Amino acid sequence: KNEVEQSPQNLTAQEGEFITINCSYSVGISALHWLQQHPGGGIVSLFMLSSGKKKHGRLIATINIQEKHSSLHITASHPRDSAVYICAVNSGGSNYKLTFGKGTLLTVNP
Amino acid sequence: DVKVTQSSRYLVKRTGEKVFLECVQDMDHENMFWYRQDPGLGLRLIYFSYDVKMKEKGDIPEGYSVSREKKERFSLILESASTNQTSMYLCASVSSNYGYTFGSGTRLTVV
Repeated sequence: KNEVEQSPQNLTAQEGEFITINCSYSVGISALHWLQQHPGGGIVSLFMLSSGKKKHGRLIATINIQEKHSSLHITASHPRDSAVYICAVNSGGSNYKLTFGKGTLLTVNP
Repeated sequence: DVKVTQSSRYLVKRTGEKVFLECVQDMDHENMFWYRQDPGLGLRLIYFSYDVKMKEKGDIPEGYSVSREKKERFSLILESASTNQTSMYLCASVSSNYGYTFGSGTRLTVV
């Protein structure tokens, strides 16, 4: 069983819809990351969280440490949001190694 | 802005060749990572380095080696390329507050 589970694996939405991607993890963590990868592209770090909530533009990330769960929300989705969204956790220590989820493929149709 | 540069975006090599993938960061970060990304398997850690000349194996180090002679450069070496090493290779650099910056990736095809 992967230590980091994402749901859903695939998500199709219409432009303007509110989107939620979920991430659950089974280990203690020092930080959780949300990453974005456009088709054929490199990976961009969206958020790094250790508690609470962060917002950047139309993107919001939340984390519940007690429940070992995080969500990534996209408000007013747009076709340019179509990408793979990856959740990754850092279990602590000084080596900064990440454990990755398998990713969620989001397609936003116009 | 933080920058991680991978030397090649696309690379085609022959089976048995020695392949060097270069990664350079301009942020004076101590920690650097090499991952490969394959469909259905996600990102897997090959090697990482936490300082000059220091390296540790990741989850899938077989068939690979690394070199970190200078802080800004972390090289991944395929000693004898094989077709099962066809993949997307991603380098990352990490700041002390856990901020990750990824390179744009090298898509390697071994024929």
